Amino acid sequence: QKEVEQNSGPLSVPEGAIASLNCTYSDRGSQSFFWYRQYSGKSPELIMFIYSNGDKEDGRFTAQLNKASQYVSLLIRDSQPSDSATYLCAVSQGNNRLAFGKGNQVVVIP
Amino acid sequence: EPEVTQTPSHQVTQMGQEVILRCVPISNHLYFYWYRQILGQKVEFLVSFYNNEISEKSEIFDDQFSVERPDGSNFTLKIRSTKLEDSAMYFCASSDYKVETQYFGPGTRLLVL
Repeated sequence: QKEVEQNSGPLSVPEGAIASLNCTYSDRGSQSFFWYRQYSGKSPELIMFIYSNGDKEDGRFTAQLNKASQYVSLLIRDSQPSDSATYLCAVSQGNNRLAFGKGNQVVVIP
Repeated sequence: EPEVTQTPSHQVTQMGQEVILRCVPISNHLYFYWYRQILGQKVEFLVSFYNNEISEKSEIFDDQFSVERPDGSNFTLKIRSTKLEDSAMYFCASSDYKVETQYFGPGTRLLVL
């Protein structure tokens, strides 16, 4: 079973701080990596995608990918209360599917 | 901004009944997907669809499930004889290329009694 792991529990961060989320994956053949945000009772909303090793920045979000370590992370700078949500790591598997992690809940405290 | 739409938003059915969940993918997208999320669990892949046929399906997508693109805009998921364990949120997604940037619809919450 090819897994996507997001092991850390709920993350509480003060408003304005940096939230750091981590994800590991087992399928070395994966080529594409995604971070989705999911508010309670809502659908996943794409935040970032990354295909190459290194960092990719988009506004307050930075995704980092290390294929050798099978590790992808997401940094949220200047966290806002509206960032409070569950963040889902998703990894491409095969040609046509995404495998999701269980998600990390982020709570931004005003 | 184009978006994926799904109907109905909620569906309640009796065990053993057939349900059809409907989706309208983003208009210029070619790849369509169904995922489900049981309450409190991870999002799970069910099936992908391209060029009017199934590209890939998961072990969850057994003979009780089928998908169809009946016209140029709709994409449907049929569950022939629902079970209690089919209760979940069902998400449709679409992309303009394989796997890349899949955009999700708002979901249909299915409750099987």
